[in-house]
Amino acid sequence: QSALTQPASVSGSPGQSITISCTGTSSDVGSYNLVSWYQQHPGKAPKLMIYEVSKRPSGVSNRFSGSKSGNTASLTISGLQAEDEADYYCCSYAGSSTSYVFGTGTKVTVL
Amino acid sequence: EVQLVESGGGLVQPGGSLRLSCAASGFTFSSYWMSWVRQAPGKGLEWVANIKQDGSEKYYVDSVKGRFTISRDNAKNSLYLQMNSLRAEDTAVYYCARELELEIDYWGQGTLVTVSS
Repeated sequence: QSALTQPASVSGSPGQSITISCTGTSSDVGSYNLVSWYQQHPGKAPKLMIYEVSKRPSGVSNRFSGSKSGNTASLTISGLQAEDEADYYCCSYAGSSTSYVFGTGTKVTVL
Repeated sequence: EVQLVESGGGLVQPGGSLRLSCAASGFTFSSYWMSWVRQAPGKGLEWVANIKQDGSEKYYVDSVKGRFTISRDNAKNSLYLQMNSLRAEDTAVYYCARELELEIDYWGQGTLVTVSS
């Protein structure tokens, strides 16, 4: 199972919106509405930001939103803030034996 | 509050063995699938293995099949990963993670495993 494809880096100025893509296949992203997104600051554990493609856990800012079309999922961060600077990973369920496949990761830089 | 605390990492020689543990608290451990996910230095996340609530189903990424064994002790609220025949490419931070309805929702802080001579 290959990793999902994400851009290596995305940047934006404070207040702007950015979108991170996550491209998989018909065996993972395309087959299940079970795409999640994680934020990871340096030296820290990943934190769940989006689950089931577009749902936000309690406590996560509504500046974070998710969507999916076909084999590609997307994470949008609106009103970019300095604290959003981190690595972001998508993840898709891929069936019982493979279980989970993660994206390659995207470094978000706030200019 | 959900807490997952890993332990057991360290430096081990190639071909050696190590057993990781994860102590869970703040939720009913026996009601959840659990996973191990790893992250090599400077690299991305990779799912390693998971186990069903009662331990009756276990799945592994191809690269660790036959070398790693996941297990759990619900009475002790603990998850384990026995790692044998370790290779340099197994060097990573290993995270214990909780699954909720086919997604990973909580992560521990991780424990570093270094395989080197």
